[in-house]
Amino acid sequence: DVVMTQTPPSLSVAIGQSVSISCKSSQSLVASDKNTYLNWLLQSPGRSPKRLIYQVSKLDSGVPDRFSGSGSEKDFTLKISRVEAEDLGVYYCLQGTHLPQTFGGGTKLELK
Amino acid sequence: QVNLLQSGAALVKPGASVKLSCKASGYTFTDYYIHWVKQSHGKSLEWIGYINPNSGYTNYNEKFKSKATLTVDKSTNTAYMELSRLTSEDSATYYCTGDFDYWGQGVMVTVSS
Repeated sequence: DVVMTQTPPSLSVAIGQSVSISCKSSQSLVASDKNTYLNWLLQSPGRSPKRLIYQVSKLDSGVPDRFSGSGSEKDFTLKISRVEAEDLGVYYCLQGTHLPQTFGGGTKLELK
Repeated sequence: QVNLLQSGAALVKPGASVKLSCKASGYTFTDYYIHWVKQSHGKSLEWIGYINPNSGYTNYNEKFKSKATLTVDKSTNTAYMELSRLTSEDSATYYCTGDFDYWGQGVMVTVSS
């Protein structure tokens, strides 16, 4: 199985600050169709996960452009510019290139 | 609007089975694969498998192959996951999701005598 390693496990931020979360995979996530199936999800406290970004950098509908995704092959980053209170929760990366699909361990974003 | 409504929380005895439901509305049921995801308390997420609602084709995480069975009923736009031979390790919240784009509210399964 592809192992997804997220760092850091937790982040303490002030509102308005910018943060980055790293996700590294144990294998390249470039699929045979040349797409890279790397997603970012946010699970707010007590809620179901919600996908923010798919295929590395494509924002889901309604997701603020304060969120951006980048990376390639095995190394990916989620950046949040100007963190707002509604951004707090646990962020997960998810790879869909290889079966079984696998999630990172999560990064908890908390208020400083 | 798209909605995936999951059945209520379940308390089941060790060794028993439970069948969870996920009723879709607000979209064409066959447009999205339905995936099931496990979240043990306070932990990360695990992909159990998916079902193609149109064909009934399934693909399972090897870890859950003997644990979970995925089915659909196209007449009621409902997906099901049956978990068998339950142990305490199966106590968790289970989510259904349409291609990770839309998510159910989750259902907590507690295995206890």
